[in-house]
Amino acid sequence: ILNVEQSPQSLHVQEGDSTNFTCSFPSSNFYALHWYRWETAKSPEALFVMTLNGDEKKKGRISATLNTKEGYSYLYIKGSQPEDSATYLCARGSQGNLIFGKGTKLSVKP
Amino acid sequence: NAGVTQTPKFRILKIGQSMTLQCAQDMNHNYMYWYRQDPGMGLKLIYYSVGAGITDKGEVPNGYNVSRSTTEDFPLRLELAAPSQTSVYFCASSYSSGGQPQHFGDGTRLSIL
Repeated sequence: ILNVEQSPQSLHVQEGDSTNFTCSFPSSNFYALHWYRWETAKSPEALFVMTLNGDEKKKGRISATLNTKEGYSYLYIKGSQPEDSATYLCARGSQGNLIFGKGTKLSVKP
Repeated sequence: NAGVTQTPKFRILKIGQSMTLQCAQDMNHNYMYWYRQDPGMGLKLIYYSVGAGITDKGEVPNGYNVSRSTTEDFPLRLELAAPSQTSVYFCASSYSSGGQPQHFGDGTRLSIL
């Protein structure tokens, strides 16, 4: 994998459903993996930065895991709420900058 | 709590005009970045800076210039605006390298007609 890839591109769930999405990235020379939440008409907001293989981070109902050896990270949302509707971006960090995936757009219906 | 401030928020340019997008941060961050966001394409890095006086090209630098004379400011210059530069531009900053979260401004929506 040369680029950062996210799947699915979009996701529609009902309020209360739990969901997860995937970020795949080149596993060689790993430095850091970022997750951002991007609401429509706003700017991206950092959720997590993970650096260690096996890292798990949690913020409220949102959590993320990291596997640097196989080059993937999962983002989980437990009990989705309408306010969780946003695009979730992951990015692979290097010493200088970030390479972003195209994002997963989540829509949560009440 | 200003964070990262971008001006203007919106602008319409004619082909061939020039303009500067302003970005300022008050968090004493060393690293600053400019991205453009096109529909379905995610965020593409235009230029970044690791400190005052140092700038580097990102993935899509053609048609743009930057300078970093102070820690706080990182303006992005379009010299000869082209329709392909119609986009939403985001400035971001971080304390250090790719292991630190980036803080984004609210964006500048630029249309070139």
